[in-house]
Amino acid sequence: EAGVVQSPRYKIIEKKQPVAFWCNPISGHNTLYWYRQNLGQGPELLIRYENEEAVDDSQLPKDRFSAERLKGVDSTLKIQPAELGDSAVYLCASSLTIHGTEAFFGQGTRLTVV
Amino acid sequence: KQEVTQIPAALSVPEGENLVLNCSFTDSAIYNLQWFRQDPGKGLTSLLLIQSSQREQTSGRLNASLDKSSGRSTLYIAASQPGDSATYLCAVSHREGGSQGNLIFGKGTKLSVKP
Repeated sequence: EAGVVQSPRYKIIEKKQPVAFWCNPISGHNTLYWYRQNLGQGPELLIRYENEEAVDDSQLPKDRFSAERLKGVDSTLKIQPAELGDSAVYLCASSLTIHGTEAFFGQGTRLTVV
Repeated sequence: KQEVTQIPAALSVPEGENLVLNCSFTDSAIYNLQWFRQDPGKGLTSLLLIQSSQREQTSGRLNASLDKSSGRSTLYIAASQPGDSATYLCAVSHREGGSQGNLIFGKGTKLSVKP
């Protein structure tokens, strides 16, 4: 069975440009997370979906970040416009439910804003 | 607010040593605790999941314990190998309040096993 799939793996953009990341979770997983990881730090939650509903987006910088999860499956995270401080690794994870089930992560997208 | 702390931040040991990584959390209202491994430039690989009602889990040379009442978990690695070199992260799945269901991470312990 395929794991969590993210694309692209790497992205280099100039500041003020838009960028989008895509995530395909494990089939049947209802919960989908987007995390941001800065160098030397642990991942920090940006948004969590239960099916197609964003149930916690309190840490998402809504002035420039947006996300969607169509039909409760794939998800896209967008930044517009990107800033230098957005350079980080963006990780997607999924789990069957929030109630004590194991979370699985994708390989991440390394974003560099120049 | 749930906070997760990992000690030490970095650890270097000679091959063959047994070692312990520590994780502490401030709020015992959790569904589970999960240990992950992260290799440079890669995503997170799940190592062990301990439910809040469990005391420990084992997988091969890895053993993780959980003491929910004291807010502590340890990851024990037996007979360490150079291939174990990576960053080890622990995360708790928070059980209550607005962040219910969120995975909250520590900053990780960077392990280096010397041949």
